[in-house]
Amino acid sequence: DTAVSQTPKYLVTQMGNDKSIKCEQNLGHDTMYWYKQDSKKFLKIMFSYNNKELIINETVPNRFSPKSPDKAHLNLHINSLELGDSAVYFCASSPQGGTEAFFGQGTRLTVV
Amino acid sequence: AQTVTQSQPEMSVQEAETVTLSCTYDTSESDYYLFWYKQPPSRQMILVIRQEAYKQQNATENRFSVNFQKAAKSFSLKISDSQLGDAAMYFCAYRFPRGDSGGGADGLTFGKGTHLIIQP
Repeated sequence: DTAVSQTPKYLVTQMGNDKSIKCEQNLGHDTMYWYKQDSKKFLKIMFSYNNKELIINETVPNRFSPKSPDKAHLNLHINSLELGDSAVYFCASSPQGGTEAFFGQGTRLTVV
Repeated sequence: AQTVTQSQPEMSVQEAETVTLSCTYDTSESDYYLFWYKQPPSRQMILVIRQEAYKQQNATENRFSVNFQKAAKSFSLKISDSQLGDAAMYFCAYRFPRGDSGGGADGLTFGKGTHLIIQP
C-alpha cells in the first residue's frame, strides 16, 4: 500500500564505505527526487529525475549518484562516505504536471 | 533563485487555541505553488495544504487555512482548535510550475521550519 517506500529506514556505516538507499513509488508518477535533511532539519533538494532526464543540484558532491533502473525506482548511491553525510535522506515523487511531492518515510544515515 | 523564510523557529499554543505560522518567500515569477508540510516525530513528510498563486481564494483544509498575500509574498498557516496531534515541525515550501512536458523539474524549495508545541 505504501506509495513511496525507501529502504533501509536506518543505516549506520563507517567512513569511507559505499552505500545505497533504495526508493520505489507505486503511484505511476513521472518525476522522482532525493532530498537531504540536515541535523538542523533543513530540507534541500539533491536530484530530480524525470523521463530519463537527470537534474543535479550543483552543491551535491559527485560522490552521490542517483540511479534509475525504471520509472518507478530512483536509488541513491553514495561513495566514500564522510561524517558530514550523516542526515536523513528523503525520496519523493510527483505526477506529470503535478504540484505537490509525495514523500517516503526517510532514511536516517549515520556515518561513524 | 527562490527563497522561503520562516521567521519563527518555535511556536507554542494551548490545546484548542488558534496559532498562526508565518512564511514569506521571494520570487520573480507570477505563477507558482505554495505548500505547508507537517513533519511529526515519525519524520514522515505530510502535505497539509496547497495554494496555487493564480487563485485569489485562500485554501482551507478542515482546521487548517492559509492567508495568502501575493503582493506581500506572504503565506501564513492558521491552525484552529489546536490538537495534541498537531505538534510537529511545519515547513513552508515553494514550487515553480513545470511545463506540460514535465522537464526542468526542480522540486520544492523549503523554509527552515517552525517547531510547533501544543500545551495540554
